Amino acid sequence: NAGVTQTPKFQVLKTGQSMTLQCAQDMNHEYMSWYRQDPGMGLRLIHYSVGAGITDQGEVPNGYNVSRSTTEDFPLRLLSAAPSQTSVYFCASRPRDSLQETQYFGPGTRLLVL
Amino acid sequence: TQLLEQSPQFLSIQEGENLTVYCNSSSVFSSLQWYRQEPGEGPVLLVTVVTGGEVKKLKRLTFQFGDARKDSSLHITAAQPGDTGLYLCAGEDYKLSFGAGTTVTVRA
Repeated sequence: NAGVTQTPKFQVLKTGQSMTLQCAQDMNHEYMSWYRQDPGMGLRLIHYSVGAGITDQGEVPNGYNVSRSTTEDFPLRLLSAAPSQTSVYFCASRPRDSLQETQYFGPGTRLLVL
Repeated sequence: TQLLEQSPQFLSIQEGENLTVYCNSSSVFSSLQWYRQEPGEGPVLLVTVVTGGEVKKLKRLTFQFGDARKDSSLHITAAQPGDTGLYLCAGEDYKLSFGAGTTVTVRA
């Protein structure tokens, strides 16, 4: 198993550009989520999905869109990048929508918006 | 404002010393998790504590959940350079809320 994979590892964008951060897992997990990590702020939940076709907003959803057309993939779209979206983005998955289940994180995507 | 406050923010010690990291909140949590994150990697779950007063040991790491389920501590005995990393706590109510983390550096 590859676990949770994320691409790209690094990205530089100009303000106003759009892009998609890719996330895939091969563990057949129902629950997937996106976090951003900023210095002194911890990890903050952007969007999450409890299964294919179902998504919901987390703590900081503005400026981001998600979709879940398959169990494996959960892409995160930045519609019009802003410098405030400079961050490290982590995708995570766990078997079900239960916080008693172990959550597995990907290696992260480091995004710089100029 | 962080729901979970971790202290200290940074900790640098010599190999073989002991250390304690704290995670405090005014909120009650159903459970609390501890993660370790190494540079350039995602967080990895170390332990989940569920019951107030619970103590769990993972080799040289000891985790304690406060009686009131509002706080937790992580104690490392005889720290080694491999313990270096960012330690994150995360509390569960209806969602998972993360603290900002404690950066631990163990010098050889």
